[in-house]
Amino acid sequence: AQSVTQPDIHITVSEGASLELRCNYSYGATPYLFWYVQSPGQGLQLLLKYFSGDTLVQGIKGFEAEFKRSQSSFNLRKPSVHWSDAAEYFCAVGAKRTSIQGGSEKLVFGKGTKLTVNP
Amino acid sequence: EAGVAQSPRYKIIEKRQSVAFWCNPISGHATLYWYQQILGQGPKLLIQFQNNGVVDDSQLPKDRFSAERLKGVDSTLKIQPAKLEDSAVYLCASSVGLGLAYYEQYFGPGTRLTVT
Repeated sequence: AQSVTQPDIHITVSEGASLELRCNYSYGATPYLFWYVQSPGQGLQLLLKYFSGDTLVQGIKGFEAEFKRSQSSFNLRKPSVHWSDAAEYFCAVGAKRTSIQGGSEKLVFGKGTKLTVNP
Repeated sequence: EAGVAQSPRYKIIEKRQSVAFWCNPISGHATLYWYQQILGQGPKLLIQFQNNGVVDDSQLPKDRFSAERLKGVDSTLKIQPAKLEDSAVYLCASSVGLGLAYYEQYFGPGTRLTVT
């Protein structure tokens, strides 16, 4: 079954420092990969996604992620963190359903990484 | 453009009581999703509708959970009777259509349920 592992439950960085959030996935074929951000009391917002092509993906708010098939990873990066980036970040894989299950795909999320930004 | 609306935002009930959540998706979005997000976990898909038909309810505990989207627009999710382990945030999302490669899911703010 498809799964996503986010090894870091909580990360603290200083404002202006660089950031890398780790994500490893388990999937038999080329995956659809996503990063979402969830601020307190808010729903999830899509930061970026990877389906195919260029393995370095640019997203909103200055985030980028790199797909590495050999490492089954899709790590999220930002060169300089702002205080407003403090939130919880979720990596997700698009898991294909069988035709009996209705076809298409569904999102399978990791457990998330909470980011704290120190001034 | 208005986002996905959910109500109530917070609900506290005792175990064995029933509760219902409401979701109004973005106008024109044919696909609607209900997720359960337990504290410390990522969201888990409970049920997915395409218009008023169910695409996937394989992870919905059908002995106590039910959901409907009768007119293919808004949706309700019901729990009856509630258990302590149902305490979670219930997120509704919608998209224009099926297919993650083509259609982004937009999430509502969620309903936080506490079962005591």
